[in-house]
Parts: sequence; C-alpha cells; structure tokens
Amino acid sequence: DTEVTQTPKHLVMGMTNKKSLKCEQHMGHRAMYWYKQKAKKPPELMFVYSYEKLSINESVPSRFSPECPNSSLLNLHLHALQPEDSALYLCASSPLKIQGRETQYFGPGTRLLVL
Amino acid sequence: QKEVEQNSGPLSVPEGAIASLNCTYSDRVSQSFFWYRQYSGKSPELIMSIYSNGDKEDGRFTAQLNKASQYVSLLIRDSQPSDSATYLCAVSTDKLIFGTGTRLQVFP
Repeated sequence: DTEVTQTPKHLVMGMTNKKSLKCEQHMGHRAMYWYKQKAKKPPELMFVYSYEKLSINESVPSRFSPECPNSSLLNLHLHALQPEDSALYLCASSPLKIQGRETQYFGPGTRLLVL
Repeated sequence: QKEVEQNSGPLSVPEGAIASLNCTYSDRVSQSFFWYRQYSGKSPELIMSIYSNGDKEDGRFTAQLNKASQYVSLLIRDSQPSDSATYLCAVSTDKLIFGTGTRLQVFP
C-alpha cells in the first residue's frame, strides 16, 4: 500500500483566516514533504521532515508553518495568506531506507484558494 | 545551478505508437531518477524509478538512463489515449528536483 491521504481536498480561505492542511501515511515512511504546485508548473519543495524533525525549509514565508506531531502525520498551518498562495498543496512521503534513493509517493493534494 | 530539463511539448502521437520522452540533468552526483505522470488537476503518480545505467522495463513503460550523457528517457509502447498527461522527470540528490514536464497527447 503506497497511500498518502490529505485533507481537506479543497479549501477556500480569506486572507485573515487561520487554517490547517493535514497529511497522513501508514507505510512506516520516515520522511515527509510539503510541496506547492501552481498551474502548469512542477511541484516546488517547501519543507522536509526526516524522523519527525524539520530538515529542509526552502525559505518559505512564515505564514506557512509546518508541524510533524508523529511519524505518520504532517500538518501545514496557514495564517494571513495572500491570493498568490493559491495553489495545489501536495504532501509526499518516502521510506528513507537508502540515502539518495528515496522514492517519494504523493498524496492527492489540497486545492487552496485564497480570496 | 542544479537543473532538470524537459521539452514542454505537447508531444502528439497516434494511438498504438511509441511515445518517447526525454530529460537531461546538470548535477553529476544525482543518484536516483524518476518519472511521474500527472493528469490535469491531480497529483503526480510514480511511473518508473531507475538508478543504474541501462534500461528498465515495466509493462508498456521503459526507462533508460545514461549517466555519462546525463540523460534519462521514458518510452511508452502501444500508447493509449489514457496516457495523455504531463510526464514529470525528477532527479534526486539530497532532494527531488523536477523538470517542467512534457505534455503528452495520444490521439485515437
């Protein structure tokens, strides 16, 4: 089973709202990722968690705040977003068994619209 | 600058033909190479992974890797209209770097 789940599927929020995206995997993967994807562009890496610790932050604005409560869960807290933050937000996970050979499996994504 | 380059397409092939998708990368220390398929509005789906020079076949898909030329390709045999999607090449070192994707159109 290579399933990564994400909730919600769609989210509309105002610029003053606070919301959270949730990602879950039960494959025992020890690395989890957040990506942002704009239309007709490839996914852009935002954050990487390895063994529940933040290992990569790709200079993401502080209005995006990741959290990894345990090895199966990854959250992305959103606050004071801008309309240009509207995008598909993708979560991925990988096993971290062999350095440099981690296959990443993507969840279905959350389509975010900021008004 | 670590880069992965793909022809954006669209690549149009008739049903039943072989579709050939190409990708070049700039970082010689790259260890892992992946092809993802992405339908419009959906998330990327892993099609193939390849780590060693040569060919790797899985059903109608064949991935080819040439590390000396820094080149990786994906062949899709007996292309079907359902193969119409954007194909993303991804290269991994310490993180996954995606190409911009090639849009494939298979017409009946």
